[in-house]
Amino acid sequence: QKEVEQDPGPLSVPEGAIVSLNCTYSNSAFQYFMWYRQYSRKGPELLMYTYSSGNKEDGRFTAQVDKSSKYISLFIRDSQPSDSATYLCAMSPHSGNTGKLIFGQGTTLQVKP
Amino acid sequence: DGGITQSPKYLFRKEGQNVTLSCEQNLNHDAMYWYRQDPGQGLRLIYYSQIVNDFQKGDIAEGYSVSREKKESFPLTVTSAQKNPTAFYLCASSISASFEQYFGPGTRLTVT
Repeated sequence: QKEVEQDPGPLSVPEGAIVSLNCTYSNSAFQYFMWYRQYSRKGPELLMYTYSSGNKEDGRFTAQVDKSSKYISLFIRDSQPSDSATYLCAMSPHSGNTGKLIFGQGTTLQVKP
Repeated sequence: DGGITQSPKYLFRKEGQNVTLSCEQNLNHDAMYWYRQDPGQGLRLIYYSQIVNDFQKGDIAEGYSVSREKKESFPLTVTSAQKNPTAFYLCASSISASFEQYFGPGTRLTVT
């Protein structure tokens, strides 16, 4: 079983829809939770991060962490065709942070005009 | 313009040959990383370096080697010992050992 599980999709939604992307994890030591966005044939870019539990909002994007369920989510409101990309969740433990991240498989999102 | 450059974008090699992938950054970052990305697998860490002249193995270091002689450069050599080298290779850097990593555009290596 992988430490981080993410449904690879693809997920196809109409423009303007609310998108929910999710990851589950098994390691309770994870404290930092990140979402990276990767456009086709490009390197990933950090979209958002949260520490421990709770919500964080940035424009149309909301990241949510539920440590009791070992479940994280990324919500995209009013989705746009430019949001079409692969979304990767990543996690890191709190202690002895070496920059080592554990990534999910990535979910491919397509937003249709 | 600050950033990370990887060259070449596409690389083709015959089986049994070693090949070196370039990664350069001008962000003045201390830490650098190499990842491999395969379809359906996400990113897997090959090697990382927190300071010059020091580096550590990641989760899938077998068949790979690195050097860190300069802060700006972290080349990755894919040796003939790597059983399945065809993949998309990504280099990243961060200010210190951090989750806020900045990625290069990647090199797609095909070995036949």
